[in-house]
Amino acid sequence: AQSVTQPDIHITVSEGASLELRCNYSYGATPYLFWYVQSPGQGLQLLLKYFSGDTLVQGIKGFEAEFKRSQSSFNLRKPSVHWSDAAEYFCAAHTGGFKTIFGAGTRLFVKA
Amino acid sequence: NAGVTQTPKFQVLKTGQSMTLQCAQDMNHNSMYWYRQDPGMGLRLIYYSASEGTTDKGEVPNGYNVSRLNKREFSLRLESAAPSQTSVYFCASSGQANTDTQYFGPGTRLTVL
Repeated sequence: AQSVTQPDIHITVSEGASLELRCNYSYGATPYLFWYVQSPGQGLQLLLKYFSGDTLVQGIKGFEAEFKRSQSSFNLRKPSVHWSDAAEYFCAAHTGGFKTIFGAGTRLFVKA
Repeated sequence: NAGVTQTPKFQVLKTGQSMTLQCAQDMNHNSMYWYRQDPGMGLRLIYYSASEGTTDKGEVPNGYNVSRLNKREFSLRLESAAPSQTSVYFCASSGQANTDTQYFGPGTRLTVL
């Protein structure tokens, strides 16, 4: 079955430290892949997306993600986390038609 | 340009009551969606409308109905609310579903007692 897995329910990093959020997908072909961020009480906002081509994708707010076909992964990274990055992050895969599968989310806590 | 708007922001219902969640977008998007968000489960698609005049079931349609009133508006109706429908509901829109970004509204937090 098609699925998106985010193994970490929550992650805590120190401000200024680097960040990597994991995402794995299960799908027969390469899906369109997305990372969204949700601040408390808000809707989801797109950080970046991958359709094809260069496997390292740059997004907003200094985030990047790398698509690795061999590992079925699309991990999100940021070199230096800011306190304002504290939020919930969702990986998603568009697998065809009008349906997007979302992971369960990873909540990021940033400590001073 | 407000993007995607939803009303109401909060609602409390008693079991068996009905209500309609409203959604509107001003980006001239063709496709619109309703999702529910539950803790530990991400977002699940309830219904979607690929274009004006069409609607289709998503992953969890039971207990819901939708209406694509025009290109801008897509409403979600709970005919007889149940406690299992306590959730946060998000409306989203996109230009072309298979390549375009979905833009989300701020959500409606619904509690069914």
